[in-house]
Amino acid sequence: NAGVTQTPKFQVLKTGQSMTLQCAQDMNHEYMSWYRQDPGMGLRLIHYSVGAGITDQGEVPNGYNVSRSTTEDFPLRLLSAAPSQTSVYFCASSYLAEETQYFGPGTRLLVL
Amino acid sequence: GNSVTQMEGPVTLSEEAFLTINCTYTATGYPSLFWYVQYPGEGLQLLLKATKADDKGSNKGFEATYRKETTSFHLEKGSVQVSDSAVYFCALSRSNKLIFGTGTLLAVQP
Repeated sequence: NAGVTQTPKFQVLKTGQSMTLQCAQDMNHEYMSWYRQDPGMGLRLIHYSVGAGITDQGEVPNGYNVSRSTTEDFPLRLLSAAPSQTSVYFCASSYLAEETQYFGPGTRLLVL
Repeated sequence: GNSVTQMEGPVTLSEEAFLTINCTYTATGYPSLFWYVQYPGEGLQLLLKATKADDKGSNKGFEATYRKETTSFHLEKGSVQVSDSAVYFCALSRSNKLIFGTGTLLAVQP
């Protein structure tokens, strides 16, 4: 049981490049979410999904896209990276939003 | 709107000292409340939670009580250890969203 996995662990991008952060879980959780962690800001919700085919925006969705074609996977896409997107990104999952969320190890992204 | 306010850090304590990290919240209705902990270089993991007023969550010697009248969920531990050094996040869950405080860094010295 791997829990929540994220790839890559670390990525450097140039401004304007695109990339996809991968997130997968093997716990059959319906709810999945993406957060970014910045110094002094805590974690802020980017997008979330309550089940396959259903996604919604969180607190800071601009510049990010998501889709949920399977229960297991919830990728986060940066269409045109900006330096303001330099951050640590965490994916999380749970049975329901109100229940305990299980976090992945994070992806550290640097946009130059 | 929904928000969480927790005390600024860092908090520096000697081993075996008493710990309190304050957390207050603003929310519509009755959210679930959580404390998550992040050890250096790792993701977050649940420390404890409470789902209704007057519930007490506890784990690894840490405790927090859901106080509706003061909209608070303060984290306490009677005797901290060096291994408790981490960042602690208070959070509430409401309307399919988990909302975090800014985190409090705890450093415990031997």
